[in-house]
Amino acid sequence: NAGVTQTPKFRVLKTGQSMTLLCAQDMNHEYMYWYRQDPGMGLRLIHYSVGEGTTAKGEVPDGYNVSRLKKQNFLLGLESAAPSQTSVYFCASSYAPGASSNQPQHFGDGTRLSIL
Amino acid sequence: KQEVTQIPAALSVPEGENLVLNCSFTDSAIYNLQWFRQDPGKGLTSLLLIQSSQREQTSGRLNASLDKSSGRSTLYIAASQPGDSATYLCAACFSGGYQKVTFGTGTKLQVIP
Repeated sequence: NAGVTQTPKFRVLKTGQSMTLLCAQDMNHEYMYWYRQDPGMGLRLIHYSVGEGTTAKGEVPDGYNVSRLKKQNFLLGLESAAPSQTSVYFCASSYAPGASSNQPQHFGDGTRLSIL
Repeated sequence: KQEVTQIPAALSVPEGENLVLNCSFTDSAIYNLQWFRQDPGKGLTSLLLIQSSQREQTSGRLNASLDKSSGRSTLYIAASQPGDSATYLCAACFSGGYQKVTFGTGTKLQVIP
């Protein structure tokens, strides 16, 4: 079972460059999420999606864009990378909203992104 | 502000010891609380999920409890093993916002052989 797969696993960018992080899930989950994890701050929600073609802002959306053109894929874009976006990015998916379900979120292994 | 706190940030115990990890949250209007395990360089693996109507959940050597009135959850690990060494995070899903899951910063556990 692949579960949630994130690509790439590592990336180094220069300030101002752009890139896209890809998340793919094979569990037919409706809900997908992008988080960033920084030391001492826990995971923070960037954007999420409740289904194909839908996206919504999370806690820290500035500087990021997302797209969910296919149910299984959720893309996170950085249009003009900044050093403050150096972080570990995690994608997650779930069958139903966490607030109304006993189904946990499934996480990918993360993308370690450094912005110089 | 809805916050989740985990203290201590790090814990070291000898193998075989029973231990308790703590998680506190500021809002009693909670839908569910999850405990995750994170190994170095890896993502989060869900261990236990407790619904607001439940008091505890058990899986093998793990037992998680939830006390909404006091704003606390605990993860009990029985007979700890070196393989239990990891960072343990709790995450609370609060009411008032769609998918508003708030994560704690984790407790890094080291079990010494």
